[in-house]
Amino acid sequence: ETGVTQSPTHLIKTRGQQVTLRCSSQSGHNTVSWYQQALGQGPQFIFQYYREEENGRGNFPPRFSGLQFPNYSSELNVNALELDDSALYLCASSLFGSGLTGELFFGEGSRLTVL
Amino acid sequence: GQSLEQPSEVTAVEGAIVQINCTYQTSGFYGLSWYQQHDGGAPTFLSYNALDGLEETGRFSSFLSRSDSYGYLLLQELQMKDSASYFCAVRVAVYNFNKFYFGSGTKLNVKP
Repeated sequence: ETGVTQSPTHLIKTRGQQVTLRCSSQSGHNTVSWYQQALGQGPQFIFQYYREEENGRGNFPPRFSGLQFPNYSSELNVNALELDDSALYLCASSLFGSGLTGELFFGEGSRLTVL
Repeated sequence: GQSLEQPSEVTAVEGAIVQINCTYQTSGFYGLSWYQQHDGGAPTFLSYNALDGLEETGRFSSFLSRSDSYGYLLLQELQMKDSASYFCAVRVAVYNFNKFYFGSGTKLNVKP
């Protein structure tokens, strides 16, 4: 157990809808990153938040957006859902400046199905 | 951009040794991590190499050659519970912020 919690664990949406996924980072961790993992693939970097600001983004369109709150928890929002958005969404927390260990702490993920 | 290549699947028997290779192409490379993920579970950190050479953690070891853009994960004394997917991930540092890019994963099947 990493101490990173995500909600909801599973959800089903229809094409065109919007979804919000939530993540509570491990105690003391101030950086949160989000990943999309399609079935049989590796996690793909969506974006990262530090001090409530996005400071890095992968190859994802603007309809993927996020927030980080003062307590370091985070949200991932996806608008205008498409079928290809069906995936496991993983949140990972880390401590800024502790990259020397190369370690991310992942939550169990939110499984999104878009019909 | 970043690209990582690792074999899609490896099969080995219990008690054996298996090596999972990873080659990468990236800019701003700082290090290579390895993660294990069981079906339906979260990726869990195994090891990290920032410098060339071998890092050993119990039954798992990881190696990095920066000049060859290559690394591997070595699993010894394989156990059934080692059946999982293994991902290499490059750590990239941009303006002091760290990001990680993952390979597509290697599914390890351990047979009795």
